[in-house]
Amino acid sequence: SAVISQKPSRDICQRGTSLTIQCQVDSQVTMMFWYRQQPGQSLTLIATANQGSEATYESGFVIDKFPISRPNLTFSTLTVSNMSPEDSSIYLCSVLAGGPGGELFFGEGSRLTVL
Amino acid sequence: EDKVVQSPLSLVVHEGDTVTLNCSYEVTNFRSLLWYKQEKKAPTFLFMLTSSGIEKKSGRLSSILDKKELFSILNITATQTGDSAVYLCAFFGNEKLTFGTGTRLTIIP
Repeated sequence: SAVISQKPSRDICQRGTSLTIQCQVDSQVTMMFWYRQQPGQSLTLIATANQGSEATYESGFVIDKFPISRPNLTFSTLTVSNMSPEDSSIYLCSVLAGGPGGELFFGEGSRLTVL
Repeated sequence: EDKVVQSPLSLVVHEGDTVTLNCSYEVTNFRSLLWYKQEKKAPTFLFMLTSSGIEKKSGRLSSILDKKELFSILNITATQTGDSAVYLCAFFGNEKLTFGTGTRLTIIP
């Protein structure tokens, strides 16, 4: 199994500001993902963070709003830019273990509240 | 478009009851179906299913997959208050995990 450290655990931000969430894994992983969970909703995939290249974004998510970095196989960041109250969510970093078709491990999540 | 639908959306039962949670899917490039339990923020892994008709079991929890009818069920027997959580079904395909809507299970003492 993989141990994933995510920070900040929670934050309260002002409208129009940006926040960067960090995700550190205790082992090298090929596939790393960022999810969003809005209040009362299920998990929605934002993007797949690719090491050494641009992230692959899902429909409805764009790089200008959610820039992602993946400088190596153990670390990634997600920035939520120009935040609005609609961005208030839990943001979760996850990694694939055991190869394709294997289980996904999740970080503890970052609960973001935008005022 | 790939989709995963769970039912019921919420369920309230008394401690000791048995519950069955349902997950149906319409997906392309299916590789596996996974069940997670979410109590606070991070979902925790329960089962991964890849083959039809083979039951996976862990204590009071069990799950089975029907790839012909495209559904899976999660059973919990002799429920306890600690089973109260949101249960998420997800499928792995196209190099990503797609989640269903979730079932919120509440166990009354």
